[in-house]
Amino acid sequence: RKEVEQDPGPFNVPEGATVAFNCTYSNSASQSFFWYRQDCRKEPKLLMSVYSSGNEDGRFTAQLNRASQYISLLIRDSKLSDSATYLCVVNPGGYNKLIFGAGTRLAVHP
Amino acid sequence: AAGVIQSPRHLIKEKRETATLKCYPIPRHDTVYWYQQGPGQDPQFLISFYEKMQSDKGSIPDRFSAQQFSDYHSELNMSSLELGDSALYFCASSQARQTYEQYFGPGTRLTVT
Repeated sequence: RKEVEQDPGPFNVPEGATVAFNCTYSNSASQSFFWYRQDCRKEPKLLMSVYSSGNEDGRFTAQLNRASQYISLLIRDSKLSDSATYLCVVNPGGYNKLIFGAGTRLAVHP
Repeated sequence: AAGVIQSPRHLIKEKRETATLKCYPIPRHDTVYWYQQGPGQDPQFLISFYEKMQSDKGSIPDRFSAQQFSDYHSELNMSSLELGDSALYFCASSQARQTYEQYFGPGTRLTVT
């Protein structure tokens, strides 16, 4: 079983739709949580860190439930440019490795 | 803003050859991480350095070695290359003691023939 599990998708949605991605992690001692975005053959780009209180950045909202070991990302008013793979990422502790989920592919169509 | 720089961007080597990948972290970042991403896979952690000392080690083959230099740049040395080493190699950097966020470079695409 992978340490970070995500629905691989793909999610095919029209422009303007709201889409939600979910992720679970197995290590209850994990300390930091992130969503990264990766375009084909490019580097992962940090989309947002995820805090226990939940946080929002424009059209993006991230939530963390430590009790359920569950992380979510909500994208409102989807744009064509949101098409990418969204990676749920966990730091198990310290200033060390990140553990990546397999990613969820999003395709936004006109 | 300055980003992580990696060189070369593309590298083609034959089996059993050696390769050296370089990474220049974001200015004032003191921690460097190396990841390998195979085709259709998620990035896998290889090794990290903080203040020129190895800080964590992942699934890095014994044929690979790495170090961080006094100017904080890092090099990943790969020997006896195998076909299975063909992958994207990403370097990431962070400013330890400030944040756990890691910022990735554009990667080096290594092809072993």
